[in-house]
Amino acid sequence: RKEVEQDPGPFNVPEGATVAFNCTYSNSASQSFFWYRQDCRKEPKLLMSVYSSGNEDGRFTAQLNRASQYISLLIRDSKLSDSATYLCVVTPSGGYQKVTFGIGTKLQVIP
Amino acid sequence: SQTIHQWPATLVQPVGSPLSLECTVEGTSNPNLYWYRQAAGRGLQLLFYSVGIGQISSEVPQNLSASRPQDRQFILSSKKLLLSDSGFYLCAWSVHRDNSPLHFGNGTRLTVT
Repeated sequence: RKEVEQDPGPFNVPEGATVAFNCTYSNSASQSFFWYRQDCRKEPKLLMSVYSSGNEDGRFTAQLNRASQYISLLIRDSKLSDSATYLCVVTPSGGYQKVTFGIGTKLQVIP
Repeated sequence: SQTIHQWPATLVQPVGSPLSLECTVEGTSNPNLYWYRQAAGRGLQLLFYSVGIGQISSEVPQNLSASRPQDRQFILSSKKLLLSDSGFYLCAWSVHRDNSPLHFGNGTRLTVT
């Protein structure tokens, strides 16, 4: 089983739609979780951290389910500019050097 | 604020030629430093990470090597490139603290011909 698994998509959604991505991880000792955004042929950029209690940043909501070992990202009111690949990132406790990236989920927002 | 510089942005090299990619970080001390590679249509593969000067850990055995001659400088090298070395190379840094995210440079797109 891969350490971090994501559905590669693509997810094609109309503007204004709500879309959600999940990411599962295999190491139950994982401590830190993040979502990154990567535009085509660019470097990944931090979108948001994921906290145990869940957190929101504007139209974006991230949640963590430790019991089922997955994190999620919800995007409301999708914009054309949200089109990108979203990478799930997991780090084990005390293992900041062992950051593991998912393959990413590609989102295409359609006008 | 912290910034990370990576160069060159693009590189075309023949098979068997050497490689040197450089990355520097400004605005922070004693960062963790990383080299990742992303092949076309694939995920990020950790190549090397460093927690301090001269301290390099390799994740994948291959014909690449890394060095950290200064606190905020990280260099990726190869003596002889292979076709399979083509890809998008990304340098990243993070602070020495749990729960700290990685921050990436702009990347180097390497094509080995």
